[in-house]
Amino acid sequence: KNEVEQSPQNLTAQEGEFITINCSYSVGISALHWLQQHPGGGIVSLFMLSSGKKKHGRLIATINIQEKHSSLHITASHPRDSAVYICAVPSGGGADGLTFGKGTHLIIQP
Amino acid sequence: EAGVAQSPRYKIIEKRQSVAFWCNPISGHATLYWYQQILGQGPKLLIQFQNNGVVDDSQLPKDRFSAERLKGVDSTLKIQPAKLEDSAVYLCASSLESLAGSYEQYFGPGTRLTVT
Repeated sequence: KNEVEQSPQNLTAQEGEFITINCSYSVGISALHWLQQHPGGGIVSLFMLSSGKKKHGRLIATINIQEKHSSLHITASHPRDSAVYICAVPSGGGADGLTFGKGTHLIIQP
Repeated sequence: EAGVAQSPRYKIIEKRQSVAFWCNPISGHATLYWYQQILGQGPKLLIQFQNNGVVDDSQLPKDRFSAERLKGVDSTLKIQPAKLEDSAVYLCASSLESLAGSYEQYFGPGTRLTVT
């Protein structure tokens, strides 16, 4: 079964800073998911990637399949980026329900 | 396109009572998931359906939890009897197909359960 480690668990930064959140997993995968969860809110999928890099607005996600590692970057961070960011991978064993990391609680201060 | 619908949004019950949650996935999505998210933790998969069949229920506490998706569309998750440790947000998600996690999952708003 896949295991997911995220770091840091908590991150507080000033508006405008470049943010990096890291994720590592234990078993090879077909795709890795980055999701966002606001307090009291539902979960929104940000990226699903299997290789290389994807960009959406100020968000960039990269993955290194050989090293079993992915990063989520936020450029020019803004207070509205404050949320929990979660990395998730397929659990394995033929089914594709996701195994989630514990999440990174990000606070961007104005 | 309507998103994943869940009800109720909030539920408070006493331990040993029973409770049921309902989920209606996005139209056309064959795969439906139920996740449990305890405060401060990432979601944990409880059960995955492909149409009306169970693909994975290895982490479902079957002595008290049950789930069904009889017509391959909406689904119900039941807890009977509830324990204090069942207090959590129950999330439903759906995706087009089931292919080793390669399809984007769409999440509902969740049902927050408090067991007292």
